Amino acid sequence: TQLLEQSPQFLSIQEGENLTVYCNSSSVFSSLQWYRQEPGEGPVLLVTVVTGGEVKKLKRLTFQFGDARKDSSLHITAAQPGDTGLYLCAGFYNKFYFGSGTKLNVKP
Amino acid sequence: DSGVTQTPKHLITATGQRVTLRCSPRSGDLSVYWYQQSLDQGLQFLIQYYNGEERAKGNILERFSAQQFPDLHSELNLSSLELGDSALYFCASSVGSRLSYEQYFGPGTRLTVT
Repeated sequence: TQLLEQSPQFLSIQEGENLTVYCNSSSVFSSLQWYRQEPGEGPVLLVTVVTGGEVKKLKRLTFQFGDARKDSSLHITAAQPGDTGLYLCAGFYNKFYFGSGTKLNVKP
Repeated sequence: DSGVTQTPKHLITATGQRVTLRCSPRSGDLSVYWYQQSLDQGLQFLIQYYNGEERAKGNILERFSAQQFPDLHSELNLSSLELGDSALYFCASSVGSRLSYEQYFGPGTRLTVT
């Protein structure tokens, strides 16, 4: 059983579409991170959110931490093929717990 | 490039054998973390070392052990290997000792047990 549930597990969209990935838990985390991982490589940190309700933007990516610090979302605007990869959320509660990931494929 | 290096990149070995994975953290980072990533379990935290001392333990099996040396590089030893130990093993490093610090991952070692 995963402490962090990510949805959807798989997402295949056309270039230019918008998408949202969700990361949910029944536990409260003191911080939450989003990573992007490409095949054969290690996860790369995208953002850390620490305050309930916090919103951070990174170019076309918008990250939100839920008010109760139990959930988070990642929204990508006008997706590009270069956004293809595995997106992982990780919540910190005494240690890091990782979600199972969302595999995103953006078709040109 | 995260600045974290791991060797070897690939490792193929037989059941019952023992292997050692090596990790060098980013310059200036004192903490090293080990993770296992498999298809069915996702990314699982194994163990953390800070400046040579064990700091936190996760889902690490008794057949696995790790250490961090005075030059801060770390080794993960896996013994009595089983087919289920086949996975990607990642090392990450951070500047501080608290697990909440941002971590930078290495490229991983792919272990295949046959």
